[in-house]
Amino acid sequence: GENVEQHPSTLSVQEGDSAVIKCTYSDSASNYFPWYKQELGKRPQLIIDIRSNVGEKKDQRIAVTLNKTAKHFSLHITETQPEDSAVYFCAASGGYNKLIFGAGTRLAVHP
Amino acid sequence: EAQVTQNPRYLITVTGKKLTVTCSQNMNHEYMSWYRQDPGLGLRQIYYSMNVEVTDKGDVPEGYKVSRKEKRNFPLILESPSPNQTSLYFCASSLSNGLGQFFGPGTRLTVL
Repeated sequence: GENVEQHPSTLSVQEGDSAVIKCTYSDSASNYFPWYKQELGKRPQLIIDIRSNVGEKKDQRIAVTLNKTAKHFSLHITETQPEDSAVYFCAASGGYNKLIFGAGTRLAVHP
Repeated sequence: EAQVTQNPRYLITVTGKKLTVTCSQNMNHEYMSWYRQDPGLGLRQIYYSMNVEVTDKGDVPEGYKVSRKEKRNFPLILESPSPNQTSLYFCASSLSNGLGQFFGPGTRLTVL
């Protein structure tokens, strides 16, 4: 079945640096790729998503890129701030209904 | 206020004692889904529902049942819970299909 691998599992950056999290997926039919942020003890919250007909999407300091040929997509956070510290999950979906999540990346932003 | 609610938020039970975790949304969403979250495994989809009376299996449906008799409610039923179902459970909903799912606050279940 569909599998999503996420790297790295932990990421530590200094405030103001950029952070990049990468995911690869196995099902070439996948066409929807959301990213969720989960703060400690809280619910996952959607921060950005991209569909397969788009190569890149940006929302302020957050951007997602998609390479369908290589079957990977990445989350880019620029000018990181301490409040960006959280666990980030990527996911992939073929037909939108079934969502397969990566194992998560714990991001720590140090002041 | 638009929200997804789950009850209970915390539950400790014993093996074999049937339980139901309720999920309700007030956004008139057609799509609802259940996930479990375990350390190192991310979120895994248990069941989802495209609309009333339409449900389908996710990746890890064994040991769980769901029903969708009304649009706003999507209860998760564990007929005979076992310790390997100890987990953090999230319900989610979205307007249609699975785009942009909005998650509930979570239910932490411990099965002894």
